[in-house]
Amino acid sequence: DTAVSQTPKYLVTQMGNDKSIKCEQNLGHDTMYWYKQDSKKFLKIMFSYNNKELIINETVPNRFSPKSPDKAHLNLHINSLELGDSAVYFCASSQARLAGSYEQYFGPGTRLTVT
Amino acid sequence: AQSVTQPDIHITVSEGASLELRCNYSYGATPYLFWYVQSPGQGLQLLLKYFSGDTLVQGIKGFEAEFKRSQSSFNLRKPSVHWSDAAEYFCAVGAPGAGSYQLTFGKGTKLSVIP
Repeated sequence: DTAVSQTPKYLVTQMGNDKSIKCEQNLGHDTMYWYKQDSKKFLKIMFSYNNKELIINETVPNRFSPKSPDKAHLNLHINSLELGDSAVYFCASSQARLAGSYEQYFGPGTRLTVT
Repeated sequence: AQSVTQPDIHITVSEGASLELRCNYSYGATPYLFWYVQSPGQGLQLLLKYFSGDTLVQGIKGFEAEFKRSQSSFNLRKPSVHWSDAAEYFCAVGAPGAGSYQLTFGKGTKLSVIP
């Protein structure tokens, strides 16, 4: 069974469209994340949810909106897509403990191409 | 805020040769340290982690890393590289502390292996 899964794997769309990427984890973790990996492979945190509550919200355009219907799911909705949104988006999950951040498990990524 | 530097953008080694990938971090206290590997078109896989205790940690696929507080380093090593090790390697630092879930990644080192 896949631990962290994302759909779709590839997403090609035109500028101005609205799209969603879905993420699910079956690890029983309570914290989930979205990262963006740019064309130079640089990974940057976008959002983090713990028990369905937003705990990290880095400086990303408000066109990006995460939604966590339950602890096992964290979806990313993007409005009015722009060329610069083209990247690989990774979902990850971890189990928070009292002392803070621990290893994160990553999904396979969604390659978004905006034309 | 923490930061990670991976000084080598691209390293090429011959199959069977030893490998060392460098990672330097900046953080005010002892951080949590991780190495991840990303094969082409894949997500990130955790190789190993350091939280506390023995400064030499063993990971999967024959990798090990050594935490050196005096040098703020966490270098990844492998005694004999296999062609399948060709991938992108990311060092990451996490900040301990309640409610802190953020990982900061280095920019990655691409490893090429010559048969």
